[in-house]
Amino acid sequence: QLQLQESGPGLVKPSETLSLTCSVSGDTISGSVYYWGWIRQSPGRGLEWIGSISSRGSSSFNPSLKSRVNLFVDTSKNHFSLNLNSVTAADTSLYFCARGRDAHNPTSFFDFWGQGILVTVSS
Amino acid sequence: IVLTQSPATLSLSPGEKATLTCRASQTVSRFLAWYQQKPGQAPRLLIYDADNRASGIPDRFSGSGSGTDFTLTISSLEPEDFAVYYCQQRGNWITFGQGTRLEIK
Repeated sequence: QLQLQESGPGLVKPSETLSLTCSVSGDTISGSVYYWGWIRQSPGRGLEWIGSISSRGSSSFNPSLKSRVNLFVDTSKNHFSLNLNSVTAADTSLYFCARGRDAHNPTSFFDFWGQGILVTVSS
Repeated sequence: IVLTQSPATLSLSPGEKATLTCRASQTVSRFLAWYQQKPGQAPRLLIYDADNRASGIPDRFSGSGSGTDFTLTISSLEPEDFAVYYCQQRGNWITFGQGTRLEIK
């Protein structure tokens, strides 16, 4: 059974970079035809797609966040990562990683999700 | 694309039928999904491409619609169905609706 698990710091200072990793078990990213995504959730913004990346590093981003987001994939560690730059209090959210269910499609529905990690932006 | 869900809250009893709607600000063809989210959990995919049930989803859940208007129907509510439901489109990037809370009456 495919499982995803987010990890990273729960507290980030304003103007710094939020970095999260999603570890995948039950499947290998390197052999996968799917895209792997990041979604965040907050009371004010609801659910918001951040971006998605393939095993080959091809990525797609939410236009509203694109200038601040970098996505990485490390097939040797079977994980993928999110960097969100220049964070503010508005970036305080529960961050989820998830698998896109449609092969070769960067914009997809998400069929497997991690449990989520709460990240607070505060000094 | 903005997705507007209605109602914001729906109060029903077990055994009743639930009808939730999602309206898109422009056409998304059939590229719409529904999720269920319970407290402390990630969203769970129920329906994709408007009317296809995801793996393991009971047949009391059904989806319909195309273009801009979509419906999620739960034919007979079970106690475990009381949760928040979200729609998501992938016709133009990815966006989610604001959710409908289904609560026990």
